Amino acid sequence: EAGVAQSPRYKIIEKRQSVAFWCNPISGHATLYWYQQILGQGPKLLIQFQNNGVVDDSQLPKDRFSAERLKGVDSTLKIQPAKLEDSAVYLCASSLTGGRLDGYTFGSGTRLTVV
Amino acid sequence: KQEVTQIPAALSVPEGENLVLNCSFTDSAIYNLQWFRQDPGKGLTSLLLIQSSQREQTSGRLNASLDKSSGRSTLYIAASQPGDSATYLCAVRDDKIIFGKGTRLHILP
Repeated sequence: EAGVAQSPRYKIIEKRQSVAFWCNPISGHATLYWYQQILGQGPKLLIQFQNNGVVDDSQLPKDRFSAERLKGVDSTLKIQPAKLEDSAVYLCASSLTGGRLDGYTFGSGTRLTVV
Repeated sequence: KQEVTQIPAALSVPEGENLVLNCSFTDSAIYNLQWFRQDPGKGLTSLLLIQSSQREQTSGRLNASLDKSSGRSTLYIAASQPGDSATYLCAVRDDKIIFGKGTRLHILP
């Protein structure tokens, strides 16, 4: 079984620029999550999709962050414009149904540095 | 509001020792608890998933226990090896998944 794929692995941009990250979950997984992990912290949920619908985006800074999962498979997360405090690792995860007994599988993450 | 705490924040032990990592949570109404490993600059690798009805799970040299009533979980690593050096994160699932900040483990050769 292929894992959760993310790209790019690393990205360095200047503040006020735009950036996009891509995630392809495990085949057949209905639920997809984007997490932000700042250095020294645990991951924080940004947005959760169930198929192509948003379940929870309460912690997504919607003035600059956006995400979509148009066909219920892969997903993109965009930041526009980026700020210095957005420097973090952005992790994508998926689970089979999103049910309460499900475990999560994570991708390798994208490390973003905003200078 | 659920809070997850991991103690210690960092730990260094000589190779071969058995060790215990601790995770505590404030609200016992959880569905499951998952332990992850994270290598520097990498994503999270799932180690063990314990459902709320279970008391422990084992995989190789790893054993995780769960005591919902006291809001605690432990990850026991037997016969530690330098390759075990990583950050270990626990995450509890209620309506959301909440992570602790992790324990940075360094095994000294």
